[in-house]
Amino acid sequence: DQQVKQNSPSLSVQEGRISILNCDYTNSMFDYFLWYKKYPAEGPTFLISISSIKDKNEDGRFTVFLNKSAKHLSLHIVPSQPGDSAVYFCAASFQGAQKLVFGQGTRLTINP
Amino acid sequence: GAGVSQSPSNKVTEKGKDVELRCDPISGHTALYWYRQSLGQGLEFLIYFQGNSAPDKSGLPSDRFSAERTGGSVSTLTIQRTQQEDSAVYLCASSYNYGQGSYEQYFGPGTRLTVT
Repeated sequence: DQQVKQNSPSLSVQEGRISILNCDYTNSMFDYFLWYKKYPAEGPTFLISISSIKDKNEDGRFTVFLNKSAKHLSLHIVPSQPGDSAVYFCAASFQGAQKLVFGQGTRLTINP
Repeated sequence: GAGVSQSPSNKVTEKGKDVELRCDPISGHTALYWYRQSLGQGLEFLIYFQGNSAPDKSGLPSDRFSAERTGGSVSTLTIQRTQQEDSAVYLCASSYNYGQGSYEQYFGPGTRLTVT
């Protein structure tokens, strides 16, 4: 039972444009969502998070949007840069259960 | 300061052998997690330690898997009688959980386990 889903295994975007990565979840108990970025042979690196009491959180070029009614969140990266090329994982958790539930990841490639 | 470290970085073992994977969390972090990532999959939760509380073992796939955390710091994940389906990257993470809520987890580089 995949509770967190990233339906796009890969995404290719031109440098300078906006990258939009999507994530859907099924468990309405989730109240905290995170995005991690992963380079080859490295562990995931925390990027940005959002609590379920908010619908938007912004940090520099990165913005996460949460639509609770649709059980959907997205990560916007603008402008996209070559260093953003990596695998992006969406993750979710809920209070009382500190473990994270991850999606399968989306490989983002930024083309010069 | 130093991040989460894991050893070995790579481990090749024969089916049926036991393996031990080590994790050194960030100093001062109270919580420690183990995940694994199989080829083409997302990260799968295995086990979670928080302070002196009983660990959450709900993600361990079988009784061949066990983990301990000594002195509230270093953790060892042990896989007994390894099987080929155990081949994966095993990732350790730690966080500073100072109360209720969810906190950012910081990951180590992982141990790539290959069972032949």
